[in-house]
Amino acid sequence: DAKTTQPPSMDCAEGRAANLPCNHSTISGNEYVYWYRQIHSQGPQYIIHGLKNNETNEMASLIITEDRKSSTLILPHATLRDTAVYYCIVSVNTGKLIFGQGTTLQVKP
Amino acid sequence: ETGVTQTPRHLVMGMTNKKSLKCEQHLGHNAMYWYKQSAKKPLELMFVYSLEERVENNSVPSRFSPECPNSSHLFLHLHTLQPEDSALYLCASSPRAQRGGSDTQYFGPGTRLTVL
Repeated sequence: DAKTTQPPSMDCAEGRAANLPCNHSTISGNEYVYWYRQIHSQGPQYIIHGLKNNETNEMASLIITEDRKSSTLILPHATLRDTAVYYCIVSVNTGKLIFGQGTTLQVKP
Repeated sequence: ETGVTQTPRHLVMGMTNKKSLKCEQHLGHNAMYWYKQSAKKPLELMFVYSLEERVENNSVPSRFSPECPNSSHLFLHLHTLQPEDSALYLCASSPRAQRGGSDTQYFGPGTRLTVL
C-alpha cells in the first residue's frame, strides 16, 4: 500500500501557483519524497525529489516540513499543460516505487 | 521524449495469441522496469531488472514472461492472456535499482493492450 495521502482532486487558475499537499506521517529517516505526474494516457514523468531540505528545479519546488511528515509540491505558474495526476511517493531508493491514486490537478483558464 | 521508447503503442490480441512488448532505453541506465496500469487503478510494479538480472517479480502470473537481453532492452512476452489483462503497460529505466541508488525513473509512453 502507498504510504502517502493526497487529496483526490484540486483546481488551479492558469498563471497562479498550484500547491499540492502530501501527508507521509510514517516516513522513516532514510526515505526520500518523490513527485511524479502523469498526463492523460502518457507515461509518468519525474518532477522532483528530496530528503530533508527544500528543493527547486526548473519544473517545481518541493517544500518538506521540518518533521518530514508532510510536503508540498509547488508549480509556481501553472499552465493548462500542467493538468495531470500528481503522485507523491516515499522511497528508500531501491527501485520499488509504489504509486497511489494521486491528486488530479485541473488547471483552468 | 524521455529516452525510453516502447513498441507497439497499441496492441489488440486474442486470448490464444502470443505477442511481445518491446522497450528500449537510450539513457545508459542499468535498471529497467515493467509496470501495469489498469483502468481506474494505480500503477502496479510487475518486474525489476538490475544489470540484466531480475531482482523483483511482484507475484505476476506466468502468462507474463519478461526478458532483458542487455541493459538497453527489455521485453514482455505475452501468452494466453485474459481480458482482465487489458491495460496500459509501461516501461521505465533508472540509473540503478539498488539501495542507495535513485528512484528517478524515466518512463516510456506505454503500450495500450486490449485482450479480446
